Amino acid sequence: GAVVSQHPSWVICKSGTSVKIECRSLDFQATTMFWYRQFPKQSLMLMATSNEGSKATYEQGVEKDKFLINHASLTLSTLTVTSAHPEDSSFYICSASKPGFLGYTFGSGTRLTVV
Amino acid sequence: SQQGEEDPQALSIQEGENATMNCSYKTSINNLQWYRQNSGRGLVHLILIRSNEREKHSGRLRVTLDTSKKSSSLLITASRAADTASYFCATENKAAGNKLTFGGGTRVLVKP
Repeated sequence: GAVVSQHPSWVICKSGTSVKIECRSLDFQATTMFWYRQFPKQSLMLMATSNEGSKATYEQGVEKDKFLINHASLTLSTLTVTSAHPEDSSFYICSASKPGFLGYTFGSGTRLTVV
Repeated sequence: SQQGEEDPQALSIQEGENATMNCSYKTSINNLQWYRQNSGRGLVHLILIRSNEREKHSGRLRVTLDTSKKSSSLLITASRAADTASYFCATENKAAGNKLTFGGGTRVLVKP
């Protein structure tokens, strides 16, 4: 199969602090991973495309200095929410596509709550 | 921005009934995919239909694609309580960098 592991599954942090979310492809190499944000009862909004060994590509309206993405290896991408504020509270999900597999595999998501 | 619109936004049915949901999109696509999401969890890939295909089956799932109308439908036959979830369509356009663009989703409740 194609497995993507996301960690942590939930995190509560204080306003002003930074939080790092990890996304790992466990049984395949992913040159590209995607990061999404989802508000309650809403759809997924693509935030950025994470490219191994190069800079991430951010969607319009997403602050690259606030949402830092690092894709240092073929199996790991990280999203760091810097100086988090309550409005950053959301569900963050990553995904990747395994060569030869149809569709994309998603991580289980991270529920971020900023207090 | 979201390309797709899904209809209905919510659906409540009895176990054993069929559930049908529709998805419309705006731009050209290479394929259209359907995903399922249980509350607070990640998405699970259900089925992919290519732009040159019109219908596809997988178990109790049946997907149709009408590229002239830029629409797709997902039918779940003989629904079960375990089918309760949100269902999303997503379009992929390789010219746009293999990004998935999701529809708004349909929340399905299957009552036992």
